[in-house]
Amino acid sequence: AQSVAQPEDQVNVAEGNPLTVKCTYSVSGNPYLFWYVQYPNRGLQFLLKYITGDNLVKGSYGFEAEFNKSQTSFHLKKPSALVSDSALYFCAVRDIGGGGATNKLIFGTGTLLAVQP
Amino acid sequence: KAGVTQTPRYLIKTRGQQVTLSCSPISGHRSVSWYQQTPGQGLQFLFEYFSETQRNKGNFPGRFSGRQFSNSRSEMNVSTLELGDSALYLCASSGEGSVNEKLFFGSGTQLSVL
Repeated sequence: AQSVAQPEDQVNVAEGNPLTVKCTYSVSGNPYLFWYVQYPNRGLQFLLKYITGDNLVKGSYGFEAEFNKSQTSFHLKKPSALVSDSALYFCAVRDIGGGGATNKLIFGTGTLLAVQP
Repeated sequence: KAGVTQTPRYLIKTRGQQVTLSCSPISGHRSVSWYQQTPGQGLQFLFEYFSETQRNKGNFPGRFSGRQFSNSRSEMNVSTLELGDSALYLCASSGEGSVNEKLFFGSGTQLSVL
């Protein structure tokens, strides 16, 4: 069964410092990994995805993620955090266990990112 | 291009009642998925519809049902509401459903069951 884990409920970082939000995955077959962000009282917004190819994936709002197959990780990173980056971040994996076409995503528990001014 | 639209934005119901939530996907999208978000359980997949057919279903009781119309708009229904059904219900749309497609989410319907 496909799954993702986000080991940190909350990450605190000072504005201007680099940030990392961690995600590890467990899949059978090729992993199709995603990061989404949720602002208060809003739905989820797509940040970036890894399907195949380069291990460093660049996404929206200056975020990037590094795919590491040996460590089964897909950590989200940003070189310089902004106060406006404060939000709930979700890692997700496409559930292809059934074998058929599907848009079903399995989400991690979420990590609250708090950027202090 | 308009985004995913969910109505209503907020709902208050009492136990035992039923509720219908609506979702209009992005124009041209044929896949609509529904997720339940709660503080305790996080984001849980309810079901997915593609071209009016349910092609995937999560582990929810039969009180939760859905459908999709020929214009790709979707509704989900919850009958005999329970207190534990209080949650943010999110709808997401996408295109053909290839593995690299991203989902576009609506702002959700916040359901409170009293």
